[in-house]
Amino acid sequence: QQQVKQSPQSLIVQKGGISIINCAYENTAFDYFPWYQQFPGKGPALLIAIRPDVSEKKEGRFTISFNKSAKQFSLHIMDSQPGDSATYFCAASGGSYIPTFGRGTSLIVHP
Amino acid sequence: ETGVTQSPTHLIKTRGQQVTLRCSSQSGHNTVSWYQQALGQGPQFIFQYYREEENGRGNFPPRFSGLQFPNYSSELNVNALELDDSALYLCASSLMGRGNTEAFFGQGTRLTVV
Repeated sequence: QQQVKQSPQSLIVQKGGISIINCAYENTAFDYFPWYQQFPGKGPALLIAIRPDVSEKKEGRFTISFNKSAKQFSLHIMDSQPGDSATYFCAASGGSYIPTFGRGTSLIVHP
Repeated sequence: ETGVTQSPTHLIKTRGQQVTLRCSSQSGHNTVSWYQQALGQGPQFIFQYYREEENGRGNFPPRFSGLQFPNYSSELNVNALELDDSALYLCASSLMGRGNTEAFFGQGTRLTVV
């Protein structure tokens, strides 16, 4: 059973464009929603995270939008750059912080 | 860099063998979690250790076992290796006790079973 569904599987955008990745979760006990960025040969690195008491969180070019009633959240990357090319994972956790990961989105930003 | 180190970085084993992977957690962290990441997939939770005790386990068979040491470093042991065990194994450390914090991942160990 996949508790966190992530889409799209892959995404290609032009430099300067907006990248949008969506996730949906099922478990209403989840209360922490991080996004991770992973480059080839590296472990995932925390990018930005949100808790359900806010609907949006912005850090630089990265924004999380959160819809608690729909059990959905998304990552927006503004002014996408070739250096943003990586695999992005959404995750969700509750209680003892054991995140459940989505399957990942491979982002390619063309120069 | 996160301060979480894993060894070895790459490993090739034969089906049926046993393997031990190691993880040094970030300074000040007391919790270690292990994940298996198959090619093109998200990390799958194997188990978590908190203060040397198993604190949660994912859907993995008993031939996957672990240890956490007093210095909070950890080992993942896999017995009777199968071809499907080929994956990137990730260790993440965090601090539990005074509000959960995010987990910091190591670079992983790439295990190939032939």
